[in-house]
Amino acid sequence: AQTVTQSQPEMSVQEAETVTLSCTYDTSESDYYLFWYKQPPSRQMILVIRQEAYKQQNATENRFSVNFQKAAKSFSLKISDSQLGDAAMYFCASKMQDAGNMLTFGGGTRLMVKP
Amino acid sequence: EAQVTQNPRYLITVTGKKLTVTCSQNMNHEYMSWYRQDPGLGLRQIYYSMNVEVTDKGDVPEGYKVSRKEKRNFPLILESPSPNQTSLYFCASSSRYQETQYFGPGTRLLVL
Repeated sequence: AQTVTQSQPEMSVQEAETVTLSCTYDTSESDYYLFWYKQPPSRQMILVIRQEAYKQQNATENRFSVNFQKAAKSFSLKISDSQLGDAAMYFCASKMQDAGNMLTFGGGTRLMVKP
Repeated sequence: EAQVTQNPRYLITVTGKKLTVTCSQNMNHEYMSWYRQDPGLGLRQIYYSMNVEVTDKGDVPEGYKVSRKEKRNFPLILESPSPNQTSLYFCASSSRYQETQYFGPGTRLLVL
């Protein structure tokens, strides 16, 4: 079974600055996928970024990038130039290659953005 | 517009009164799932389905039932709800050819 741990229940960042959210996971599989989801106050789950474990290059999506350390089983999310609209709950999640649609989520990190 | 819909969005009920939360997707996805979200625990999978008439238990299936009679629909049934099933519920779907799951808007359930 996979486990995903987010050790920071809450984080805050000043608008326009950079913040990094931590995520570690535990799996015995070699093929898997990692995700970061954003949940704003509307409660909608929005995919922010995904990473395939077989890819060495870190994924990036505009102001969002990840630091994927496979050996350390670490998958942190970096948000650059933080905006007020980035304030939300962020969930890290993992999925094994042959696990159909079973995602394993971390407990979440609440990000606050200060103007 | 490609989407996953859930109904109702909000529901208050009493212990023991059977209820069904519907979920429908218009993307022809093979895979569908139900999750519940509780503070500090993230989302936990209740049941999932990999195709019509194929369902299986997730991490927290006790007290829930599902069915998949049609590809687009995946209702969640609580035969006898209890207060510990008060939660935020999400339905999600994905294609067997892609890894990304698409989530519905969520259903907030309160069991008194």
